[in-house]
Amino acid sequence: GQNIDQPTEMTATEGAIVQINCTYQTSGFNGLFWYQQHAGEAPTFLSYNVLDGLEEKGRFSSFLSRSKGYSYLLLKELQMKDSASYLCACMDSNYQLIWGAGTKLIIKP
Amino acid sequence: ETGVTQTPRHLVMGMTNKKSLKCEQHLGHNAMYWYKQSAKKPLELMFVYSLEERVENNSVPSRFSPECPNSSHLFLHLHTLQPEDSALYLCASSQDLERGGGPVYFGPGTRLTVL
Repeated sequence: GQNIDQPTEMTATEGAIVQINCTYQTSGFNGLFWYQQHAGEAPTFLSYNVLDGLEEKGRFSSFLSRSKGYSYLLLKELQMKDSASYLCACMDSNYQLIWGAGTKLIIKP
Repeated sequence: ETGVTQTPRHLVMGMTNKKSLKCEQHLGHNAMYWYKQSAKKPLELMFVYSLEERVENNSVPSRFSPECPNSSHLFLHLHTLQPEDSALYLCASSQDLERGGGPVYFGPGTRLTVL
């Protein structure tokens, strides 16, 4: 079956760096997405990786290793507003999105 | 601001009621989706429409009935729901279905409570 695994919850300190991991098993692969979802709000698109390597976008970076079925989202210089759930999703060979359950990130002062 | 709007934002209904959720996208996309989000569970894809035609129905109970009158609007008609249907219902859109179609963009969701 198809599966996305990511930690349920993580805690980090304001100003620090945190890495949220995601491992996936899908039927084919057409890219991996990261979304941010604040409580009570819609998920918003953060990043897309389809080739191996690191994609940097300001304080956020996303990494992909297709051979390992692995990705991570790296958040630098954490701010209180980064407290949210982070969703990992893979697009399979039929271009269907397979979603993880999300990682709730708690930022402490 | 995502360009996808949903109404109502909150809905409380009894099991015998009939209600409808409305979604509108202002992004010129060709594909629209209904997702169900329950606490601590992955997003569940319910329905997919491409160019106003339904292309996916993930074994959703018939008490949920989608309607897509045009490429900008999507409805989810609800009747005789069960308490376990209480969840956040998210509408989303993407450019196309083929070739991945890019990321999906979500509306703010409707928080549904079934009593």
